[in-house]
Amino acid sequence: EVQLVESGGGLVQPGGSLRLSCAASGFTFSTYSMNWVRQAPGKGLEWISYISSVISTIYYADSVKGRFTISRDNAKNSLYLQMNSLRDEDTAVYYCAREGNVWLDPWGQGTLVTVSS
Amino acid sequence: QSALTQPASVSGSPGQSITISCTGTSSDVGSNNLVSWYQQHPGKAPKFIIYEVNKRPSGVSNRFSGSKSGNTASLTISGLQAEDEGDYYCCSYGGSRNIYVFGTGTKVTVL
Repeated sequence: EVQLVESGGGLVQPGGSLRLSCAASGFTFSTYSMNWVRQAPGKGLEWISYISSVISTIYYADSVKGRFTISRDNAKNSLYLQMNSLRDEDTAVYYCAREGNVWLDPWGQGTLVTVSS
Repeated sequence: QSALTQPASVSGSPGQSITISCTGTSSDVGSNNLVSWYQQHPGKAPKFIIYEVNKRPSGVSNRFSGSKSGNTASLTISGLQAEDEGDYYCCSYGGSRNIYVFGTGTKVTVL
């Protein structure tokens, strides 16, 4: 069964940092591009970052560019999101999602990041 | 890039058909056939239900269908069932500038 499991969320103060992880199983992780998508409480979905299968291509949404860094370790079947200079508006559930060639499937269950003093 | 525009809510009775619109621009929805749709139940992760405007992934009910005209994509749910209640999001693949642009989301209520 294809599965994605996020971890690393929690409460952090404004200006702080957090590193999210996404553990993949049930498929050949190294051959798939991956994405991070977030959803603020009661709000819609927002794509924030993409990384290709061999790490040659990385994209960010303007809202996180310069503050967040996506990375992956194909040997560990894991995707990461390093989040620095966190702001109140970064409070959201963060999902990792596998790239399906112009669609996203499947998605993990999400991890909640709360930025608050 | 701005989110695609969807109605905030759509409702229907069991057995009826409803349609959710997703309006973008000639730079996103209107520029290609790379529109996908996602269903999200409360407290759950989104589930992929339509890709490339009108194609259904394996395992997705044929009660879900998609279409597009110009800058507006649409999702139709026929034979509405209680389990269809939830939020629905359209998504346009935009290429390198902003790979995925989501719609504002539509809450579907089964009366």
